[in-house]
Amino acid sequence: GAVVSQHPSRVICKSGTSVKIECRSLDFQATTMFWYRQFPKQSLMLMATSNEGSKATYEQGVEKDKFLINHASLTLSTLTVTSAHPEDSSFYICSARWRGRGPSSYEQYFGPGTRLTVT
Amino acid sequence: AQSVTQPDIHITVSEGASLELRCNYSYGATPYLFWYVQSPGQGLQLLLKYFSGDTLVQGIKGFEAEFKRSQSSFNLRKPSVHWSDAAEYFCAVGGYGGSQGNLIFGKGTKLSVKP
Repeated sequence: GAVVSQHPSRVICKSGTSVKIECRSLDFQATTMFWYRQFPKQSLMLMATSNEGSKATYEQGVEKDKFLINHASLTLSTLTVTSAHPEDSSFYICSARWRGRGPSSYEQYFGPGTRLTVT
Repeated sequence: AQSVTQPDIHITVSEGASLELRCNYSYGATPYLFWYVQSPGQGLQLLLKYFSGDTLVQGIKGFEAEFKRSQSSFNLRKPSVHWSDAAEYFCAVGGYGGSQGNLIFGKGTKLSVKP
């Protein structure tokens, strides 16, 4: 149980175009989904937190107009990188957590990541 | 402010040797603690977690971790390392204020395994 998928796993796009990444919780309802960015040989940087049916909460320094997040249902969140530039090239990882309260609600289940390359 | 420190950036051990990866946290109350493993080009997999109770927790793949409140530590151990354990390991802490369920991650420790 607790499987999270991401699509696509790899994407190459041209500078100036937009790219959409999907994150799905396959066998559970996710109250909250998180989007991280990971640079080579570095830890995860939280970009934003999205709750189903409400606007995402962005971390300081993350451009909300550039990284559009939509959490349309309890099993799907999307990250759209708009007008992508080479500096947006990175590994993007999503995670999801259970609907509920208590310590178990802090347990995050991660997707396999999406490698974005902007040429 | 809450923080997680993994003092070792890179550790190399021989296959079959024991392993200990260090993790220290800064948090005012009892935190929720996690260890995740990441293989190259992959997402993170949960190894084990501590919420309360027994301070020695068992996880998957033969890993265990011990919560030591006096030392603010949650070190990961494995008695005999396998070559397939080579990966990046992240310690994370949650449970601080707010309702978002955010985790704070350490910078990670890369484990290399010598044959």
